[in-house]
Amino acid sequence: DVVMTQSPLYLPVTLGQPASISCRSSQSLVHSDGNTYLNWFQQSPGQSPRRLIYKISNRDSGVPDRFSGSGSGTDFTLKISRVEAEDVGVYYCMQGTQWYTFGQGTKLEIK
Amino acid sequence: QVQLQQWGAGLLKPSETLSLTCTVYGGSFSDNQWSWIRQPPGKGLEWIGEINHSGNTNYNSALKGRVTISVDTSKNQFSLKLNSVTAADTAVYYCVRGPNPEAHDFDYWDQRTLVTVSS
Repeated sequence: DVVMTQSPLYLPVTLGQPASISCRSSQSLVHSDGNTYLNWFQQSPGQSPRRLIYKISNRDSGVPDRFSGSGSGTDFTLKISRVEAEDVGVYYCMQGTQWYTFGQGTKLEIK
Repeated sequence: QVQLQQWGAGLLKPSETLSLTCTVYGGSFSDNQWSWIRQPPGKGLEWIGEINHSGNTNYNSALKGRVTISVDTSKNQFSLKLNSVTAADTAVYYCVRGPNPEAHDFDYWDQRTLVTVSS
């Protein structure tokens, strides 16, 4: 199984400041079709997960442009340029290259 | 707009069978894959398995042997059965659309449904 490891697991951030979450996979996420199926989800308190970003860097419809994704191979990053109160929640990376596995989640809170 | 709504027993005893059904409203049922994902309290997400409109399935190897996913295209429904449950199967269960062929991920999720296994 592909193991996804996120860091940090807890991320206190001041409003208006940037935030960054790292996600590493135990093996390359480059699929045989040439795509890299690394996606990011946001789970707000008491809510179901919501897709934010797919295939490393593509924002889903309605996702603010302060969210961005980057990376390649086994190392990926989700960045929030300026954290807002509504960004509180848990963020998960997920790989869809070899079946589907999720990271442990990173809990973002406001300082 | 796609909406998913599930129902099933929320409290089970050890060794019983978990049974959940999800109805899909909106979108094209036959053009998509459908999955079950679960989240134990305070823990991360685990993909359980997937099915398409033809009934072709794939399951998480960690649960294989205990899980069955089925489909009823006449009702736009898909179902999950998990046998011989234990406390470790206590989780919020989600029915979701996906994986989609473009991104191999899950773009529509239903509301949270907690299933508790306790004697």
